[in-house]
Formats: sequence, C-alpha cells, structure tokens
Amino acid sequence: EAGVTQFPSHSVIEKGQTVTLRCDPISGHDNLYWYRRVMGKEIKFLLHFVKESKQDESGMPNNRFLAERTGGTYSTLKVQPAELEDSGVYFCASSQHRGGMDGYTFGSGTRLTVV
Amino acid sequence: QQPVQSPQAVILREGEDAVINCSSSKALYSVHWYRQKHGEAPVFLMILLKGGEQKGHDKISASFNEKKQQSSLYLTASQLSYSGTYFCGTDQISSGSARQLTFGSGTQLTVLP
Repeated sequence: EAGVTQFPSHSVIEKGQTVTLRCDPISGHDNLYWYRRVMGKEIKFLLHFVKESKQDESGMPNNRFLAERTGGTYSTLKVQPAELEDSGVYFCASSQHRGGMDGYTFGSGTRLTVV
Repeated sequence: QQPVQSPQAVILREGEDAVINCSSSKALYSVHWYRQKHGEAPVFLMILLKGGEQKGHDKISASFNEKKQQSSLYLTASQLSYSGTYFCGTDQISSGSARQLTFGSGTQLTVLP
C-alpha cells in the first residue's frame, strides 16, 4: 500500500511569491488533514477535509492560505503571497475513519522556507 | 487547546527506561502517540480510547487516565532505534463533529550507546 505522498519535499521562495503544496493521501482515506510545524513547536492543525468537503478550516492562519481537494482525492495548499512567518514544515495526513481511530498516516512533509 | 507534554527532552543510555507525559485541559475521546525521526514522517504508535486503557507493543506501552485527561508513554529497556521526537495527539470532545487531533510540542528522546 502506498503511503501519503507530499510534493515538493523542499521549497525556497521569496517573500511575496506563490507556492502550491500537494498531498496524495492513501487511496480510500476520506479524511485528509493539513498541519504545520514551525521550528521546534507543536504540530499545529490547519484544516480537515472529509472527501472533498472542508470539515474544519479553523486552523488556517489567514486568507493567504487556500486549500482544495477536488474530487476527494489529492489536495493542494496554496500560499499567496508568502510571508516570512509562513516558513515551516507542512504535513499532510490521512485516515480512513472519523476521529482517526485507525491512526493518522503522515506524509514526510514539505519544508517551506520563505526568504 | 494544545496538550502539554513533559519532559521537553530526555537523554538516555541504551537499556534505560523513560516516561513521557501528555496532559490535556479538555475532555478527550482518545489519545494518540506518534514518533518522528529527523526528516521523516511522524509514525503512528498507538491509540488509547476512553476507559483507563493501557496498551503496548514490544517494549513501548502507554496508559490513559480519562478522569485526569492524562496519558503516559513508557519506553522500557530503550534501544538506539527509539531516538526521535514523540508527539501525543488528542481528540478533544469539545471539538464537536470535526474530530481532528491536536498535538503537543513533542518530546525529543535521544538514546546513546
């Protein structure tokens, strides 16, 4: 079984540019989550999809962040325009069951550096 | 609200034991434990559900005290492969129907030969 795949693994962009992160969850996993970890701090929740619907996007920092999950398969997270404080590791995770009762499967993350 | 993990970091010699604690101010459906090695994806270790559950596999086990909203992860006779950052993730009852995990800041565990 393929795991959760994230692309790119690293991205360095200048302040004001746009970056799009992609996540391919495990096939059949309806629940898809985006998290972010900033240097040494907690893994902070951004948003949660159930299939193609946004279940909860309360963690999205501001309207510069836009997430989509067309067709309920892969998801993209776009940051436009990027700011310095957006730097961090963005993780995607998926689970089959509500509440993650089967555990979350994480991707390896995208390390975003805004300079 | 973010659960509080302690300690923030611990250094062990191979074969020693360690305990990592996770405490929440919210009532919980469950507690998850994950381990992340540097540059890799966090890996699911186990989930503990309501009811004072205890679980374990190999020499890593955990307990969940639902009344105190606390969980502890026990690593016995630690191996070099146990090194990494351990995160607890809490599924809070107050989150309503959304049901996603809230993670602590992590505990960095280093096992030395």
